[in-house]
Amino acid sequence: GENVEQHPSTLSVQEGDSAVIKCTYSDSASNYFPWYKQELGKRPQLIIDIRSNVGEKKDQRIAVTLNKTAKHFSLHITETQPEDSAVYFCAASRAEDKIIFGKGTRLHILP
Amino acid sequence: DAGVIQSPRHEVTEMGQEVTLRCKPISGHDYLFWYRQTMMRGLELLIYFNNNVPIDDSGMPEDRFSAKMPNASFSTLKIQPSEPRDSAVYFCASSQTARSSPLHFGNGTRLTVT
Repeated sequence: GENVEQHPSTLSVQEGDSAVIKCTYSDSASNYFPWYKQELGKRPQLIIDIRSNVGEKKDQRIAVTLNKTAKHFSLHITETQPEDSAVYFCAASRAEDKIIFGKGTRLHILP
Repeated sequence: DAGVIQSPRHEVTEMGQEVTLRCKPISGHDYLFWYRQTMMRGLELLIYFNNNVPIDDSGMPEDRFSAKMPNASFSTLKIQPSEPRDSAVYFCASSQTARSSPLHFGNGTRLTVT
């Protein structure tokens, strides 16, 4: 089955700097890659997703890139702000199949 | 829509007791997922349903865990007997399809087994 690896497990960046979180997946048939943000004590919520027919997608300060050949995808957050502090999860799935999550990255934005 | 509703929010029980977690998915969503979250293992998929039918229960840890979905608006996850290592946050999530729609998570049930 699908296996998703996520790095780093913890990331600290200065406010205003960029943050990058990387994930790899094992199943070459996976074609849907969402990212979820979980604030402390809250539920995970979708922030952005990408499908295998595109290489990059942006939404304001957030962007995701996908390299299908290498089977890895990344989340980029620019101009980080205090409210970006949270745990971020990447995930992967095949068509009409279960969504498998990475173990998460705890992002700290330093003042 | 009120979103995915889970109950209870917190459950504290003694080892050996039966625990039942409940979930009401968003109306019109065909898929329902049960995840378990711990610091060590992250978000683990336990089981998911499509149109009330269990599709994949390969993530269910052992026979002590069981899940049902008797109708489109209700699901339960039962642990019997419970053990301290079952302590975790259990999330229910629903989606319109498994592929093209985001997961909508409930607020979770924090289970503590002493």
